[in-house]
Amino acid sequence: EMVLTQSPGTLSLSPGERATLSCRASQSVSSSSLAWYQQKPGQAPRLLIYGASTRATGIPDRFSGRGSGTDFTLTISRLEPEDFAVYYCQQYGPSPPYTFGQGTKLE
Amino acid sequence: EVQLVESGGGLVQPGGSLRLSCSASGFTFSSYAMHWVRQAPGKGLEYVSTVNSDGGNTYYADSVKGRFTISRDNSKSTLYLQMRSLRVEDTAVYYCVKGSGSSGWYDWFDPWGQGSLVTVSS
Repeated sequence: EMVLTQSPGTLSLSPGERATLSCRASQSVSSSSLAWYQQKPGQAPRLLIYGASTRATGIPDRFSGRGSGTDFTLTISRLEPEDFAVYYCQQYGPSPPYTFGQGTKLE
Repeated sequence: EVQLVESGGGLVQPGGSLRLSCSASGFTFSSYAMHWVRQAPGKGLEYVSTVNSDGGNTYYADSVKGRFTISRDNSKSTLYLQMRSLRVEDTAVYYCVKGSGSSGWYDWFDPWGQGSLVTVSS
């Protein structure tokens, strides 16, 4: 079973700064089938990125994803106050069961 | 607007059973795979199960295989998760999630319901 390892576990930054979150897979991710989700306290997760680099509908362009194979990155170019949350990566290919990373808390 | 509303959560004793439901609206339910994902208190996300659009194919995490059954009623736009032989470690918020396609393969998860809390405790 594929394992996704996110780093760092916690990232401490200030509004206006740039955030770089990492997701490393234990084996190559099929067809860049890697997604990123944001979760705020008391809320359900929200899809940010799919296909490793495609922003979901309504997601601001300060969010960007890149990577292939086993190494993926989520970048938030200029942090807004509402961006402080927990971020999860997920592999979704080719078939279930799927896997989530353990999360990165952005504080 | 897509809406997913879970129900059926609550307190159950170890070894007991519970059935979660997810009522869907705002999209053609019968055209999309659906998923369940759970989150234990203070922990990360854990994939639970998938059913394809016509209900003919199902998939499970090893942690719930043989104990949980996913199903759907396309005439009622409703997704179900039948949970049996519940364990303390099954305590979590259970999210109903819409897939991006019909088969459940190469399926990203969007959107998510608000979740239903299941507590397994004596």
